[in-house]
Amino acid sequence: NAGVTQTPKFRVLKTGQSMTLLCAQDMNHEYMYWYRQDPGMGLRLIHYSVGEGTTAKGEVPDGYNVSRLKKQNFLLGLESAAPSQTSVYFCAATGLAAYEQYFGPGTRLTVT
Amino acid sequence: DQQVKQNSPSLSVQEGRISILNCDYTNSMFDYFLWYKKYPAEGPTFLISISSIKDKNEDGRFTVFLNKSAKHLSLHIVPSQPGDSAVYFCAASWEYGNKLVFGAGTILRVKS
Repeated sequence: NAGVTQTPKFRVLKTGQSMTLLCAQDMNHEYMYWYRQDPGMGLRLIHYSVGEGTTAKGEVPDGYNVSRLKKQNFLLGLESAAPSQTSVYFCAATGLAAYEQYFGPGTRLTVT
Repeated sequence: DQQVKQNSPSLSVQEGRISILNCDYTNSMFDYFLWYKKYPAEGPTFLISISSIKDKNEDGRFTVFLNKSAKHLSLHIVPSQPGDSAVYFCAASWEYGNKLVFGAGTILRVKS
């Protein structure tokens, strides 16, 4: 039972390149979230999903897209990376009647 | 517009003493509050939570206090241990999808 896993753990991109971050959960949770963490700013919500096939914007959605084709997976895409997207990205999941979110280990992304 | 504020970026405490971490919020619609702990290079882990209908919740060495009139909550750790050294995030929730709004975090250092 791995909980929430994220792939990859580290990545370096050049400006303008694209990539997809994968989040997988084995807890059968309905809700999934993508956050970014920057120094002095806590975690900010990028996009979230309340169920398979649904997505919604969070606080800082610009420059990102997401998809939830399967309940256990939540993908975060960067179509044209910018240095401002250098950050640590966390995925989280939680159940319908719960507030406590379970986080993955994070992906450290550097855009040069 | 920071809805959840942790005004102390860091706190240093002697082992065995009490650690008190503070958090203020501005949105009176928040109905659930959580504390997360984060070690370097790991994802945040849930520590303790409190519903807005309560003013105190205790779990072992950890106690969270909520003062709704002051829109203030605090986390007390007694006694503090070196393994408690981490970043502590305060978070609040009320919206559809159980989204969380995080504070910027407080770095706790427990000296032995």
